Amino acid sequence: EIVLTQSPGTLSLSPGERATLSCRASQSVSSYLAWYQQKPGQAPRLLIFGASNWATGIPDRFSGSGSGTDFTLTISRLEPEDFAVYYCQYYGDSPPTFGPGTKVDL
Amino acid sequence: QVQLVESGGGVVQPGRSLRLSCAASGFSFSNYGMHWVRQAPGKGLEWVAVIWYDGSNKYYADSVKGRFTISRDNSKNTLYLQMNGLRAEDTAVYYCASQDGYNSAWGALDYWGQGTLVTVSS
Repeated sequence: EIVLTQSPGTLSLSPGERATLSCRASQSVSSYLAWYQQKPGQAPRLLIFGASNWATGIPDRFSGSGSGTDFTLTISRLEPEDFAVYYCQYYGDSPPTFGPGTKVDL
Repeated sequence: QVQLVESGGGVVQPGRSLRLSCAASGFSFSNYGMHWVRQAPGKGLEWVAVIWYDGSNKYYADSVKGRFTISRDNSKNTLYLQMNGLRAEDTAVYYCASQDGYNSAWGALDYWGQGTLVTVSS
């Protein structure tokens, strides 16, 4: 089973700042890596798939990079609605695993 | 537009059973893999099970293997999760989610339902 580790656990920033979130896999996942955003009381929303491809309707201030074992989600300039929890997920085989999440807060 | 609507959650005693349903609309259900993902109160996301678009393959998390069964009825555009032998640690919001990729084995989860809460308690 592939284990995903996310850092930091919490990221305290202000609107307009740049957020850099990390996801590390216990072994290579190629580019089978997705990022999700979840706000309180809501279902997760797909942001990025294939490590660097935008899902439908996702603003370009979100970007994903990396391959193999090290991945990054960058939010170039935080908007008020971006304060949420972000999860990475490996989806190339069973079991598809989620990381523990990074909370981006004020 | 794509809609996934879960139902069937509720309060159940340990050891009992529950069946969740997920009604899908707005896309070609029979051509996409479907997943169940759960989230215990205050915790992160945990993948539960997947069924391929044609029902030919099913995979489960170790934590539910042998107790939960995923199935689908493509004629009714509906996904199911039969949960037997429920435990307190199964308490969670259960989401159904569709998988990106037409007739694909694996993919990211591009659409999610709103979730249904299952509480296992005596």
